[in-house]
Amino acid sequence: QKEVEQDPGPLSVPEGAIVSLNCTYSNSAFQYFMWYRQYSRKGPELLMYTYSSGNKEDGRFTAQVDKSSKYISLFIRDSQPSDSATYLCAFGSSNTGKLIFGQGTTLQVKP
Amino acid sequence: KAGVTQTPRYLIKTRGQQVTLSCSPISGHRSVSWYQQTPGQGLQFLFEYFSETQRNKGNFPGRFSGRQFSNSRSEMNVSTLELGDSALYLCASSPGLAATPGETQYFGPGTRLLVL
Repeated sequence: QKEVEQDPGPLSVPEGAIVSLNCTYSNSAFQYFMWYRQYSRKGPELLMYTYSSGNKEDGRFTAQVDKSSKYISLFIRDSQPSDSATYLCAFGSSNTGKLIFGQGTTLQVKP
Repeated sequence: KAGVTQTPRYLIKTRGQQVTLSCSPISGHRSVSWYQQTPGQGLQFLFEYFSETQRNKGNFPGRFSGRQFSNSRSEMNVSTLELGDSALYLCASSPGLAATPGETQYFGPGTRLLVL
């Protein structure tokens, strides 16, 4: 079983839709959870960072963590064409000293 | 503040050759991590350098090596290139160790390596 599973997509939605991106994980040692966004020909950039189970909101983005079920989600409200990118979930643990990334989900928001 | 820069941006090599990639971190950042990104495997951790010392290493063969200089700039070397080494190589810098809670990594644009 892979440590992190992320549906690669691609996911295509109309402008204004609510987007849900998900990752599951198997390692209980993961302590913090992140979402990165990667535009074409660019490096990933950090979108959201959270430690605990529950929801964290930042503008149109909401990160959700459920440690008991070992999954994390990123919700994008009122999606815009500029949100078209690849979204990567990432997991960290000070025990392992490294970050583990999901494969990334490619999102296209059509005007 | 200037972001993370990587050189070269594109590179074509043949099997058996070696290659050196360069990364300049954000000023003041002491940690540099390297990742390999491919469509099949996603983003995979290669190694992290902090204050010129390798602090962590991923599951890659010994053909992949790196170093960090006193100004925090880092180089990554791949010897005896194989076709499967074709990938986007990303460098990321952070003020402290990357896996420290609360630490943020900033990625460069990557070097796209094609091995023929």
